[in-house]
Amino acid sequence: EPEVTQTPSHQVTQMGQEVILRCVPISNHLYFYWYRQILGQKVEFLVSFYNNEISEKSEIFDDQFSVERPDGSNFTLKIRSTKLEDSAMYFCASRKSSYNEQFFGPGTRLTVL
Amino acid sequence: GESVGLHLPTLSVQEGDNSIINCAYSNSASDYFIWYKQESGKGPQFIIDIRSNMDKRQGQRVTVLLNKTVKHLSLQIAATQPGDSAVYFCAAGAYNQGGKLIFGQGTELSVKP
Repeated sequence: EPEVTQTPSHQVTQMGQEVILRCVPISNHLYFYWYRQILGQKVEFLVSFYNNEISEKSEIFDDQFSVERPDGSNFTLKIRSTKLEDSAMYFCASRKSSYNEQFFGPGTRLTVL
Repeated sequence: GESVGLHLPTLSVQEGDNSIINCAYSNSASDYFIWYKQESGKGPQFIIDIRSNMDKRQGQRVTVLLNKTVKHLSLQIAATQPGDSAVYFCAAGAYNQGGKLIFGQGTELSVKP
């Protein structure tokens, strides 16, 4: 069964450093998303991406965040200058159409020291 | 703003009993609702969804009930098994919002053998 994959599974970085979280959505999916989950809290929407552009972004997704689909398979989330409060699980999700369910990846645990 | 909340943070049931997990939402414009299961260290896994024009939907051992009048939905798990132990999230979405999901806090279900 096809699945969303994410790398790395765990990323440790120093405050102020740039990180890139990578996702490979399911191959025939057209809609892509990033969510985050701070430990013990609910999953929060960050950004949606369709047709090579951002569809919607949350208040969390400020100028320090960017997304890119550099080729036909990868979908990345970049945080330019990480802060301690960026420590969280970051989930990528994709779906085939606006009427289908979102499939989530296993997540990347980001730890900012 | 929009919110999706759950009534109980934890639920403990005996194996074989039925489980009921509740959720309340605030946005009456939500078009669909989804229940996700999240096991430790994994991403949310789709269980079942329901569109706003329905009030009940059944899957394998699971039933979702939607009461739009009081903006409440519930997930019923029949004959709960130890493998059902996880955190359960409800999420709400609207077709005009590009697939953004608003998640609730999560209920941790523990199944005692």
